[in-house]
Amino acid sequence: GQQLNQSPQSMFIQEGEDVSMNCTSSSIFNTWLWYKQDPGEGPVLLIALYKAGELTSNGRLTAQFGITRKDSFLNISASIPSDVGIYFCAGQDGSSNTGKLIFGQGTTLQVKP
Amino acid sequence: KAGVTQTPRYLIKTRGQQVTLSCSPISGHRSVSWYQQTPGQGLQFLFEYFSETQRNKGNFPGRFSGRQFSNSRSEMNVSTLELGDSALYLCASSLLGATEAFFGQGTRLTVV
Repeated sequence: GQQLNQSPQSMFIQEGEDVSMNCTSSSIFNTWLWYKQDPGEGPVLLIALYKAGELTSNGRLTAQFGITRKDSFLNISASIPSDVGIYFCAGQDGSSNTGKLIFGQGTTLQVKP
Repeated sequence: KAGVTQTPRYLIKTRGQQVTLSCSPISGHRSVSWYQQTPGQGLQFLFEYFSETQRNKGNFPGRFSGRQFSNSRSEMNVSTLELGDSALYLCASSLLGATEAFFGQGTRLTVV
């Protein structure tokens, strides 16, 4: 079945540093979504990408939809303590027009003040 | 605009019992999907409903079922609960399905 490999698995950085994480897939996706999840809460949508090559920003966050449609990355600039959480990439099946999302394993981000 | 609402937030059940979880999507959203989140398996797709019809189903046993009502609200049911069903169950709604999906806070189910 479809799988998403997300890396790194965890990151421990200093406040103010930039962060980069990425996802790769064995198959093509039509849509890439990036979410952040805090403990005990549901994932919150950060950025949605719909076109190959698309680069989208949301404040200090920037994400790109890979040209091959099999990968995406998320950058966080000038990290702050509230960036702490688990970040998930999710791909939407490229072969069907349904809402099914395939999720990466998550990147746990810790920020040291 | 209200977000996705899931009830209850927490639930403790005994093995063998059944449970029903509820999800109210964002107003106007017609697609509702359910996911199971566990530390070992991560976020896994259970099923998706669109206009009261199940449009897609994940690789879960038949003990897991769901339905959607005419107002787009959805319920999922798990029968004959097993210890391994302990998880955070998340509901996501989207306008049409293949668009941005917004999640509720989840229902934390513990089976003892």
